[in-house]
Amino acid sequence: EAGVTQSPRYAVLQEGQAVSFWCDPISGHDTLYWYQQPRDQGPQLLVYFRDEAVIDNSQLPSDRFSAVRPKGTNSTLKIQSAKQGDTATYLCASSFYNYAEQFFGPGTRLTVL
Amino acid sequence: SQWGEENLQALSIQEGEDVTMNCSYKTYTTVVHWYRQDSGRGPALIILIRSNEREKRSGRLRATLDTSSQSSSLSITAAQCEDTAVYFCATDANTDKVVFGTGTRLQVSP
Repeated sequence: EAGVTQSPRYAVLQEGQAVSFWCDPISGHDTLYWYQQPRDQGPQLLVYFRDEAVIDNSQLPSDRFSAVRPKGTNSTLKIQSAKQGDTATYLCASSFYNYAEQFFGPGTRLTVL
Repeated sequence: SQWGEENLQALSIQEGEDVTMNCSYKTYTTVVHWYRQDSGRGPALIILIRSNEREKRSGRLRATLDTSSQSSSLSITAAQCEDTAVYFCATDANTDKVVFGTGTRLQVSP
């Protein structure tokens, strides 16, 4: 069974540029999570979906970050006008609702210069 | 913060030694997850212990949970070089979100 896939694996931007991250969860998983992981810290939840609905985006910096999951399968996280403080690894995870285990993708390592 | 410890901790041991990593949490949880993260990869669940369990074992891993002190531990017996990784505990605060601690970087040397 294929795991969670993410692309790109790496991105390097200048401040003010935009970037999109793409996630393909495990087939059949209804819940999808996006995390931000700064260097030497634990993953921090940004937003999560059940099917196509946003369940919690309270930690998403809404002025520059957006996330969609239009058909309840793949998802895109976008950063408009990136800042140096956005430098981190962005992780996608998926799970079945009510099952505790989340399955993580390899992440996208973003560097904002 | 949910966590009593804010900074990534580091442990360095020799192969064959036993090691224990601790974490404490501030809010109620129904389950404590322990994840390991290898360099360049996403976290992977290695053991999960529920609030009605005091101990859980999986191979050389042993997790404990003390809900009265809101703390959990992960022990590795006879550590191997391949156990080198960052280990996180995480809680769910009785929701379907998982909140991660900062983690422990474990280095096992031959």
